[in-house]
Parts: sequence; structure tokens; C-alpha cells
Amino acid sequence: AQKVTQAQTEISVVEKEDVTLDCVYETRDTTYYLFWYKQPPSGELVFLIRRNSFDEQNEISGRYSWNFQKSTSSFNFTITASQVVDSAVYFCALNSNSGYALNFGKGTSLLVTP
Amino acid sequence: DTEVTQTPKHLVMGMTNKKSLKCEQHMGHRAMYWYKQKAKKPPELMFVYSYEKLSINESVPSRFSPECPNSSLLNLHLHALQPEDSALYLCASSQERSGLGEETQYFGPGTRLLVL
Repeated sequence: AQKVTQAQTEISVVEKEDVTLDCVYETRDTTYYLFWYKQPPSGELVFLIRRNSFDEQNEISGRYSWNFQKSTSSFNFTITASQVVDSAVYFCALNSNSGYALNFGKGTSLLVTP
Repeated sequence: DTEVTQTPKHLVMGMTNKKSLKCEQHMGHRAMYWYKQKAKKPPELMFVYSYEKLSINESVPSRFSPECPNSSLLNLHLHALQPEDSALYLCASSQERSGLGEETQYFGPGTRLLVL
């Protein structure tokens, strides 16, 4: 069975603050794939990143960075110098070679205020 | 171009109506998905089409009927829906080169459905 836990339901920060969204996963598969998606109020799920289980290298893309640690089964997402446009619900998701459906966490709602 | 389009954006229908949701992608993807998302919940998979054939049906009620006319198009036909079917319906696609599990799914903007 696969499970993704996003313990933070809602986070509120002031613009320019750094914020980290936590994601903890469970899987028995040795090969698996982790994803982050952003869902702004408009509704579209926007793909942010995919990470393979055999690649623990951290990733940075502009103000976004991801920290993947297999030892703690975590795939955390940090936004540096947050902006109002970052306000959205962020979903962490998990899939594996034996699967087909993305297993989503419950999502973290991020509100960035001016 | 990672674009999936969906029409209509909003739909209001009565419980006796028949309507259809449409999804289109021009990325050459061979797998297409329908998800249902209730407010403040994550998306839930409904159907998967692989090479235009229905490969996964997650025990969805028969009042939802998917159709894949060609590799770029995916429809969801709705009939005799219930108010609890009101939700955001999301379409997604992926390449389907080496297995669904490892692929990135790209989502459309969704159709917000209200059943009265």
C-alpha cells in the first residue's frame, strides 16, 4: 500500500518569508516516483517536479527547492521569498512501477499575504 | 507544449439531463485520465485510457460513461447524475512509453460541475 502524508493543512505567511511544505510517504516498492503539483484557485493542477527513488539529489528551480531524503521518507518543498502568486494548494503525490494512479496527499493550502 | 484543454469550464445540469465533458491534448500522449475532485480534497482517479482503450475503471457508477474517440480526445458522458456528483472534473494525460506508474501526468484546467 502507498500513502502520502501532508501534515500541514494550512499555512499562512507574509510575502518574502521562506516556507517549507512537508511531505512524508510510505511505500513497499523499491522503485517509485514522487511529484509535487500546485493548484491555484483557478483549479488547474500544475506539475512542478518529479523525483525518482534512485535519485536523491536535491533540486533547485528559481525560488523553489526540493529536499528528498529516503532515510526519512520525506520529499519536502521550500519556497524562498514567497510571493502572493504562490498562494495555492500544493499536493505531494506518489506512484510506482507497479501502479498507475497518483496517490495524492491531502494537500497543503498556502496563503501568502502582502 | 504541455497543454491539456477542457470544455466547458463550468457546467450546471439537472438530474435528468445528459451532458458531456471534453478533453483534448496535442502532446502525442497515449494515456489519458479522468479524475474527480471534491472541494478541499485531493483528486480521485476515475478512468484511465491507454492507447485509446479503457484500461482502468475505478468502480465508477455507470451514470459516468467515458469515451476516447481518438488519441487526442477524451470525453466523459454524464447522465442522471446526483447532486453529490458536483465536483471539479480534471483530465490528464501522460506519454505511456514505459508504464503508467513512472510517468508525469499533465492536467487540464478542469470542468466545475454543479448538479441541481
